[in-house]
Amino acid sequence: GEDVEQSLFLSVREGDSSVINCTYTDSSSTYLYWYKQEPGAGLQLLTYIFSNMDMKQDQRLTVLLNKKDKHLSLRIADTQTGDSAIYFCAEASGTYKYIFGTGTRLKVLA
Amino acid sequence: DVKVTQSSRYLVKRTGEKVFLECVQDMDHENMFWYRQDPGLGLRLIYFSYDVKMKEKGDIPEGYSVSREKKERFSLILESASTNQTSMYLCASSSPGQGKPQHFGDGTRLSIL
Repeated sequence: GEDVEQSLFLSVREGDSSVINCTYTDSSSTYLYWYKQEPGAGLQLLTYIFSNMDMKQDQRLTVLLNKKDKHLSLRIADTQTGDSAIYFCAEASGTYKYIFGTGTRLKVLA
Repeated sequence: DVKVTQSSRYLVKRTGEKVFLECVQDMDHENMFWYRQDPGLGLRLIYFSYDVKMKEKGDIPEGYSVSREKKERFSLILESASTNQTSMYLCASSSPGQGKPQHFGDGTRLSIL
């Protein structure tokens, strides 16, 4: 089936690193994305990685891709209370086909 | 920055009404999408459009239709609203080409009473 799986919840303390994990299904997916959704808002594109890359770093965000295991992770360094949100992993498996995970709710404790 | 604007943040309608949700993007994107978001189910694609007057069914098109008369505007229509269509509706757009990221509006939280 076409399922992008994520754990539902993650809780971390302010200043710690957060790691949000995702497994995807389509080995032919060319791009994989991370989106952030704050309460009552739409999805904001955080970062994305092309499938021929293993890692991408963008300020506090690090994306790791393990194609063999179809595993994607998002690491947020020095997590802040403003990082509390739902994080969605998504894969583009065709020109118009995007598959989204169910989202991981990150709670940052002060 | 890409701006995708959904006409209403919150909407309350009655069962049986015809409901229009509007979405406008300002980046001349060819592709536009409508999703609904429900707890535990993630995002599910209702319809998408890759050009003016063109539309394709997504995974859950039943009970919905769409209209794309102009490139910048994509409308979602609930022909006869039902309570099981109470949900968060998200519009997105993207430029053409495989894997181009989608850009989302802020969503419309629709309640059908």
